[in-house]
Amino acid sequence: AQRVTQPEKLLSVFKGAPVELKCNYSYSGSPELFWYVQYSRQRLQLLLRHISRESIKGFTADLNKGETSFHLKKPFAQEEDSAMYYCALGDDNYGQNFVFGPGTRLSVLP
Amino acid sequence: DAGVIQSPRHEVTEMGQEVTLRCKPISGHDYLFWYRQTMMRGLELLIYFNNNVPIDDSGMPEDRFSAKMPNASFSTLKIQPSEPRDSAVYFCASSPRPTGVTGELFFGEGSRLTVL
Repeated sequence: AQRVTQPEKLLSVFKGAPVELKCNYSYSGSPELFWYVQYSRQRLQLLLRHISRESIKGFTADLNKGETSFHLKKPFAQEEDSAMYYCALGDDNYGQNFVFGPGTRLSVLP
Repeated sequence: DAGVIQSPRHEVTEMGQEVTLRCKPISGHDYLFWYRQTMMRGLELLIYFNNNVPIDDSGMPEDRFSAKMPNASFSTLKIQPSEPRDSAVYFCASSPRPTGVTGELFFGEGSRLTVL
């Protein structure tokens, strides 16, 4: 079965500080990992996917299959990054197995 | 495109009443999902449809919950009778293709349900 854990419910950092949102997964298949973000009063939206190896809004995430992790990082946090972040796990067999982690609320303090 | 449209945005009802939540997916999207979001359990998949057919309803908590998709542009999630523990934000999402690889879910703004 697929499982995603995000150990921190709340993470507070100061503006300009580095931020790392942790995500670990367990899955016996071929994992596809994603990060979703929900800003205040906005829709939940896809932030980035590991397969694209992209940087969005300064955020990056590297899939580490050895450690079964997909941590989200940004070197210098901005106040507008304050939001709820969800890690999600899919399957590269084009299936519909798609599981969200419990989420981490990031608060960037001025 | 206005995106996924959900109604009502807020619903307050009393225990025992029937609640119907509505969703209009993005045109052309073949997959539709209903999620429930609570502080305790996060985002839970309740059910999803492919081409209007329910594929997996294993997340539906109990028989009080039912979902239908009579056509490609409309879906409902019904709770009858409602209970206080059903209080949550219910999200509808749609996708043009299987999400396992793309992770491409388009969410509505959610319906916040409060059952007194």
